[in-house]
Amino acid sequence: GQNIDQPTEMTATEGAIVQINCTYQTSGFNGLFWYQQHAGEAPTFLSYNVLDGLEEKGRFSSFLSRSKGYSYLLLKELQMKDSASYLCAVSPRGETGTALIFGKGTTLSVSS
Amino acid sequence: KAGVTQTPRYLIKTRGQQVTLSCSPISGHRSVSWYQQTPGQGLQFLFEYFSETQRNKGNFPGRFSGRQFSNSRSEMNVSTLELGDSALYLCASSPGLAGGPRGNEQFFGPGTRLTVL
Repeated sequence: GQNIDQPTEMTATEGAIVQINCTYQTSGFNGLFWYQQHAGEAPTFLSYNVLDGLEEKGRFSSFLSRSKGYSYLLLKELQMKDSASYLCAVSPRGETGTALIFGKGTTLSVSS
Repeated sequence: KAGVTQTPRYLIKTRGQQVTLSCSPISGHRSVSWYQQTPGQGLQFLFEYFSETQRNKGNFPGRFSGRQFSNSRSEMNVSTLELGDSALYLCASSPGLAGGPRGNEQFFGPGTRLTVL
């Protein structure tokens, strides 16, 4: 079956670093995505990993280990505007289908 | 490029009614996927259309259906509405082809908030 797990909630303070973990079990693997969703808004793309390793993009980094079915999103120098839901999603198929399987999301609250 | 648009943005229906939601993808994108988002279940995949054909389907009852037109615009229909169908329905478009630096990145519309009374 398809299963993606991530913590429900996390809290952190401005300027800190936070790591949001995601574990997955899916039938096939064609890449892992992280999306950010502010309350009342559409999800927006943050990162994509298809090979093992770390992808860094500014304050955000994402790591993937395919053998462990594990990823994390690392947010540095947290700002209040980073308060949002962070969604881990896997593209489970090896063909060209674009369907994504999402975790339930991690709500991050950043306080001053 | 204009983003993904969805209409209507808000909808209130009663049990037993049916509803049709519309999605216009980003120009040039051939794939449209539909998702249901609820607080308890998160984002759940409904179905994907590519070049007017349903390419993938999630685990939803047959009351949920969709179609795609030749201009890539898509509609989804829910018949015999139930209270549990109250949710945010998100449409996402993508070029629909594998590969590329962002894989099969999906671009989401603002969603349609459906309330079933």
